[in-house]
Amino acid sequence: NAGVTQTPKFRVLKTGQSMTLLCAQDMNHEYMYWYRQDPGMGLRLIHYSVGEGTTAKGEVPDGYNVSRLKKQNFLLGLESAAPSQTSVYFCATIDPDRAGTEAFFGQGTRLTVV
Amino acid sequence: LAKTTQPISMDSYEGQEVNITCSHNNIATNDYITWYQQFPSQGPRFIIQGYKTKVTNEVASLFIPADRKSSTLSLPRVSLSDTAVYYCLVGDGTGGFKTIFGAGTRLFVKA
Repeated sequence: NAGVTQTPKFRVLKTGQSMTLLCAQDMNHEYMYWYRQDPGMGLRLIHYSVGEGTTAKGEVPDGYNVSRLKKQNFLLGLESAAPSQTSVYFCATIDPDRAGTEAFFGQGTRLTVV
Repeated sequence: LAKTTQPISMDSYEGQEVNITCSHNNIATNDYITWYQQFPSQGPRFIIQGYKTKVTNEVASLFIPADRKSSTLSLPRVSLSDTAVYYCLVGDGTGGFKTIFGAGTRLFVKA
């Protein structure tokens, strides 16, 4: 039982390049989230999904796209990377059938855009 | 969504009890209060969750007064390994729920 797995763990991009971050979960949770965390800051919500085939914008969605074609996978895309997108990206899942807000996080993807 | 307010940082010594208070004046009836811990280079980890009164687990206790407008995370006898950032969140996990993290409280435990 791996929980929440993010791929890749590290990546360096040149400005203007594109890439996709993968979040895979084996807990059968409906809700999935992508956050970014800048140094010394809290997490900011980029996009989220409340089920397969659905996505919605969070606090800081500009410059990112997402897809949830399969329940277990949530993809975060950067079409044209910018230095401002240098950050650590975290994926999280929540089981909405459980009361409250216990979220399970991946180990993070450290992205540097040069 | 209820906004939370926590101290930016706290210092403590090994073996002491640490209490971190979070204000959430606009908490809704269906909202739960959840605390997370984050170590450097890791994702946040669930610590404890409560709705009202007191909750205790093997890691911490959570005290919630009757009006639920604040909560206090209590860490008994902290060690150096408890140095981390602690986040307080409120929410109900139902449809359209968005987990909002603030800057958290940086706890530094000294020897």
